[in-house]
Amino acid sequence: DVKVTQSSRYLVKRTGEKVFLECVQDMDHENMFWYRQDPGLGLRLIYFSYDVKMKEKGDIPEGYSVSREKKERFSLILESASTNQTSMYLCASSRPPNQPQHFGDGTRLSIL
Amino acid sequence: DQQVKQNSPSLSVQEGRISILNCDYTNSMFDYFLWYKKYPAEGPTFLISISSIKDKNEDGRFTVFLNKSAKHLSLHIVPSQPGDSAVYFCAASDGANAGNMLTFGGGTRLMVKP
Repeated sequence: DVKVTQSSRYLVKRTGEKVFLECVQDMDHENMFWYRQDPGLGLRLIYFSYDVKMKEKGDIPEGYSVSREKKERFSLILESASTNQTSMYLCASSRPPNQPQHFGDGTRLSIL
Repeated sequence: DQQVKQNSPSLSVQEGRISILNCDYTNSMFDYFLWYKKYPAEGPTFLISISSIKDKNEDGRFTVFLNKSAKHLSLHIVPSQPGDSAVYFCAASDGANAGNMLTFGGGTRLMVKP
């Protein structure tokens, strides 16, 4: 079974802080994704990566950056956290083409 | 502008009856569709998918129907069980895009009453 592990289930940070969310997958998947989930809006793609050191912007990349130095690890960075980034963050991985994405359990991030 | 829409935010069904969850899309380039189920405090889990070359795919109690001309898909759960209570997301992919990006709908909360 695919395992996607997100480093924190709950996180509370202050406005202006730099925040790191970590994600690790154990199935050697090429593709990795970061989403945020907000009520009524479903899952919105922030960034994705299809290979080490490769990254592509999703639908809502503003205020975020990512890093993929190793195939199994994909990090999401909030450069200067703001209250509108309070959300559930979900990481996923998949193997192309058209294989379903497998998700981690999410990090509920609160920015105060 | 949401390219994938789930117009019913919630649905309540009696145990043993059929649950029908609907999803509409606007992008005619979408050629692969998926349904995910999400319990509270867990990540979404893949349920069932369908390619645009088919109009029906069945897996046990779950069947997905695709109507390409109407740009509409639906998930049927028969019979519904209390353990099916969750939020259901439909998602769509354009096979030509790199990385198999998915566009998700807003979700429908299904409640199955015992």
